[in-house]
Amino acid sequence: EDKVVQSPLSLVVHEGDTVTLNCSYEVTNFRSLLWYKQEKKAPTFLFMLTSSGIEKKSGRLSSILDKKELFSILNITATQTGDSAIYLCAVEQGSARQLTFGSGTQLTVLP
Amino acid sequence: EAGVAQSPRYKIIEKRQSVAFWCNPISGHATLYWYQQILGQGPKLLIQFQNNGVVDDSQLPKDRFSAERLKGVDSTLKIQPAKLEDSAVYLCASSLGFRSRGYNEQFFGPGTRLTVL
Repeated sequence: EDKVVQSPLSLVVHEGDTVTLNCSYEVTNFRSLLWYKQEKKAPTFLFMLTSSGIEKKSGRLSSILDKKELFSILNITATQTGDSAIYLCAVEQGSARQLTFGSGTQLTVLP
Repeated sequence: EAGVAQSPRYKIIEKRQSVAFWCNPISGHATLYWYQQILGQGPKLLIQFQNNGVVDDSQLPKDRFSAERLKGVDSTLKIQPAKLEDSAVYLCASSLGFRSRGYNEQFFGPGTRLTVL
């Protein structure tokens, strides 16, 4: 059975802290790994990674994929209260390019 | 560019009642997805359409759930009869097409929050 596991389930930090969110996966027909941010509405796309060792950066957010060890991390530096959200990891699979999501990490950034 | 539209935004029903959700994807998007997101979990794919055909409905509980996309544009998802465990947010997403080249970005609608009492 395909699995995407995220840790920790929740995290509370203070503004300015750096956080690392983890995602491990065991799936068939891997195509890519994606990170989404979900506030009290629909998930919004952050990153897509397809190759190992490629670090994607967007401002204070960065992510790495390790296809050998089957995991990815999402780093957020200098956190702000606006970063408070659920961060979802998803794996795109197969010819139909379907997404299998993890349960998410609830990040709370306190002022 | 208008996003994915869903209605209603909220629905409260009693168990054994029926309910229907509507989704209008982004114009020109061939692929449409329905997801169920139970509180504390990630979205789970229920059904995927390509135009008006079903690509995958292996995780759709077909004894009570049905979905259609008759004209290949908007779609409805129905639950009949509803159970307590169907309480969740139902997300609709669309993409240009899973056969397209490059990244098949899925754009999500705001969701319908269903509460079954």
